Amino acid sequence: EGQLLESGGGVVQPGQSLRLSCAASGFNFGSYAMTWVRQAPGKGLESVATISSLGSKANYADSVKGRFTISRDNSKNTLYLQIDNLSADDTAVYYCARDSYGSQLLSPFDPWGQGTLVSVSS
Amino acid sequence: IQMTQSPSTLSASVGDRVTITCRASETVKKWLAWYQQKPGKAPKLLIYEASTLESGVPSRFTGNGSGTEFTLTINSLRPDDFASYHCQQYYGFSTFGQGTKVEIK
Repeated sequence: EGQLLESGGGVVQPGQSLRLSCAASGFNFGSYAMTWVRQAPGKGLESVATISSLGSKANYADSVKGRFTISRDNSKNTLYLQIDNLSADDTAVYYCARDSYGSQLLSPFDPWGQGTLVSVSS
Repeated sequence: IQMTQSPSTLSASVGDRVTITCRASETVKKWLAWYQQKPGKAPKLLIYEASTLESGVPSRFTGNGSGTEFTLTINSLRPDDFASYHCQQYYGFSTFGQGTKVEIK
């Protein structure tokens, strides 16, 4: 089935950077595209970045282009999200999710991690 | 591609049949999924390709539609079904509707 466990969230000041991690287990991580999805308090879900199974291709939401960088280390079964120049609008729970169709970039997501909270405040 | 769900909140009773609508700003063909989310938890995939039930999901959940209009119907609502529901298109870069909260009347 597979499990995902995010880490790296916390309280940060505006303008700072943060790197989130997502540790995968129970499936062949290197065979699946992966995605980061965020959810601001009381709001809906927003896909922010997707990366191909081998890490050669990444797509971003327009709202985060230039500030977010998705990457992966298949040897460590770990997905990353680098977030630069954080603002209050980035306050959200960040989930990592597996693209359930495998290496295909356009896919529903299953499973999801439990999420890690990023709070941007001065 | 923008996704619009309606209603935002739905009040219902155990045993009711409820329907949630999701509209896409342009065609997404059949590439639409539905998720259930409970407070403080991650979303759970219910339906993909507009009408295919994910393994283990009860048959009281039904998805329909194609192109730009989709529905999620829950027949005979159970206490465990009170939650938020989100649609997602994956024809282009994934986008979600704003969510529908199904609450107890």
